[in-house]
Amino acid sequence: AQSVAQPEDQVNVAEGNPLTVKCTYSVSGNPYLFWYVQYPNRGLQFLLKYITGDNLVKGSYGFEAEFNKSQTSFHLKKPSALVSDSALYFCAVRDMYNFNKFYFGSGTKLNVKP
Amino acid sequence: EAGVVQSPRYKIIEKKQPVAFWCNPISGHNTLYWYRQNLGQGPELLIRYENEEAVDDSQLPKDRFSAERLKGVDSTLKIQPAELGDSAVYLCASSFIAEVNTGELFFGEGSRLTVL
Repeated sequence: AQSVAQPEDQVNVAEGNPLTVKCTYSVSGNPYLFWYVQYPNRGLQFLLKYITGDNLVKGSYGFEAEFNKSQTSFHLKKPSALVSDSALYFCAVRDMYNFNKFYFGSGTKLNVKP
Repeated sequence: EAGVVQSPRYKIIEKKQPVAFWCNPISGHNTLYWYRQNLGQGPELLIRYENEEAVDDSQLPKDRFSAERLKGVDSTLKIQPAELGDSAVYLCASSFIAEVNTGELFFGEGSRLTVL
């Protein structure tokens, strides 16, 4: 079965500092991985995805994610956090055998303090 | 281009009452999803449509939940009767995904249900 795990319920970082939100995955075969962001009282918004190729994927709002096959991880990163980045972040994986099926992690709340 | 539209945004009902949520996906998207998101958790799939066919409803509590997607466009999710544990945000998402297309999901803003 495909799954993702987000080991941290919450991440706190000061504005201007780099941030990392962690995600590990469990899939058979090559994974299709995604990051989504959810602002308060809003739906989820797509940030970036890894399909194949370069292990460092760049996405919206200055975010990037690093795919690490040996560690089965797909951590979300940003070099310099903004207060406006404070939100819920979800990692997701696409089912290898059913292309229209996605599994989401439990989410990580990012708090960026001024 | 309009995004995924959901209504109502908020609904408060007494337990045992019925409730319905409506979703209009992005034009041209062939796949529509209903997810339930409990407080502090990730979305959990309730049902997935490919065009007008429900292809995955294994997580839908069929004794009280029902859904339809007429003509492969709009969709309605119904709960009857509602229970206290149904309080959650119901998210609709759509996408155009084919085997060779690793597309992402587009979500509506959700319908927050409170059952008293």
